Amino acid sequence: NAGVMQNPRHLVRRRGQEARLRCSPMKGHSHVYWYRQLPEEGLKFMVYLQKENIIDESGMPKERFSAEFPKEGPSILRIQQVVRGDSAAYFCASSPVEGVHYEQYFGPGTRLTVT
Amino acid sequence: GQQVMQIPQYQHVQEGEDFTTYCNSSTTLSNIQWYKQRPGGHPVFLIQLVKSGEVKKQKRLTFQFGEAKKNSSLHITATQTTDVGTYFCAGLKVPNAGKSTFGDGTTLTVKP
Repeated sequence: NAGVMQNPRHLVRRRGQEARLRCSPMKGHSHVYWYRQLPEEGLKFMVYLQKENIIDESGMPKERFSAEFPKEGPSILRIQQVVRGDSAAYFCASSPVEGVHYEQYFGPGTRLTVT
Repeated sequence: GQQVMQIPQYQHVQEGEDFTTYCNSSTTLSNIQWYKQRPGGHPVFLIQLVKSGEVKKQKRLTFQFGEAKKNSSLHITATQTTDVGTYFCAGLKVPNAGKSTFGDGTTLTVKP
């Protein structure tokens, strides 16, 4: 059973460009979470999605950031007009959210560098 | 909103010493999960505790869930250099909500 896949693993963007981060959950998981992590810091929750539905986006910045999890295909985290402060590791996790199983399985992350 | 606090933030130990990290929630939890993130890696799920007072062991790791289901601990006996990393707890408040709140983590370094 393949784990959570994220691509690209590393992404370099110039200020003002768009960044698109992709996440394919584990097979059978319909719940996806996105987190942001700065070096030496904890995981900052961004958004929680189910297929075709945003459940909780309380951690998403109001502007430039958006996320989707379509019926078919991976979940996408989109950052428009990137700034240097967006440089971070972005982790995606998926969970079965079924019965008592709420554990999250993380992908390897996308390291975004804004130059 | 729900808060999950972890202490200490950092812990430096000599190889062979024990290590404990504590997790405290401002509200009663339905369950708590523990994760480990190695330097440069991604968080990896270790275990989930559901029942009040539950204790689970994985080799040298012992996980406890408090009687009131508001706190938890992870204890490592006789640390090894392979134990280095950041340990996160994550608490789920309401079943079916699906979103756990992560603590800020405890970073463990082990001196050989």
